[in-house]
Amino acid sequence: RKEVEQDPGPFNVPEGATVAFNCTYSNSASQSFFWYRQDCRKEPKLLMSVYSSGNEDGRFTAQLNRASQYISLLIRDSKLSDSATYLCVVPPGHTGRRALTFGSGTRLQVQP
Amino acid sequence: ETGVTQTPRHLVMGMTNKKSLKCEQHLGHNAMYWYKQSAKKPLELMFVYSLEERVENNSVPSRFSPECPNSSHLFLHLHTLQPEDSALYLCASSQDSGLRNSPLHFGNGTRLTVT
Repeated sequence: RKEVEQDPGPFNVPEGATVAFNCTYSNSASQSFFWYRQDCRKEPKLLMSVYSSGNEDGRFTAQLNRASQYISLLIRDSKLSDSATYLCVVPPGHTGRRALTFGSGTRLQVQP
Repeated sequence: ETGVTQTPRHLVMGMTNKKSLKCEQHLGHNAMYWYKQSAKKPLELMFVYSLEERVENNSVPSRFSPECPNSSHLFLHLHTLQPEDSALYLCASSQDSGLRNSPLHFGNGTRLTVT
């Protein structure tokens, strides 16, 4: 299994739809996770942190399933401005490495 | 100024040129990073500095040379690059507490084109 694996998409959804992305990880020692958002030709920006079973922030909900080693991101009532690539980020745990590992991202396109 | 600032935003250089990318963070973080993002590829970690000491070098060719003079500044010196080095180079910082759970804050990147 890859360190971090995401479905590249694209996910094409209409405005107002609910959409969910999953991300699987291989390092069972990882303790906390992040979702970043990256707009085209821009830098990634932190969207949410996931430290325990889950986290909710407005229309966005992130959940962690340690047993199955995946995290998910749910977006409710999608807006056109949600169109972006969503990056799943996993810390190194006890690998001895010092930096986060980024997934290749899931592209979301919200359509009018 | 706040956040992480990178200069220049865009850079075009020939294969024989020498140039440097600069990054400055105003967040009081103690770790800084260089990442490379090529078209349609995931972010690739290049270097990690913690408290001005290089703690990770991800098998990067020697034509890329990092420098971290203090915890707020990070440079990437470029020399005799190849066209395949054209990419978006992102600097990031974090609070490295040893727990490795801190998120990264990115600068807006330098888009490099090697001709």
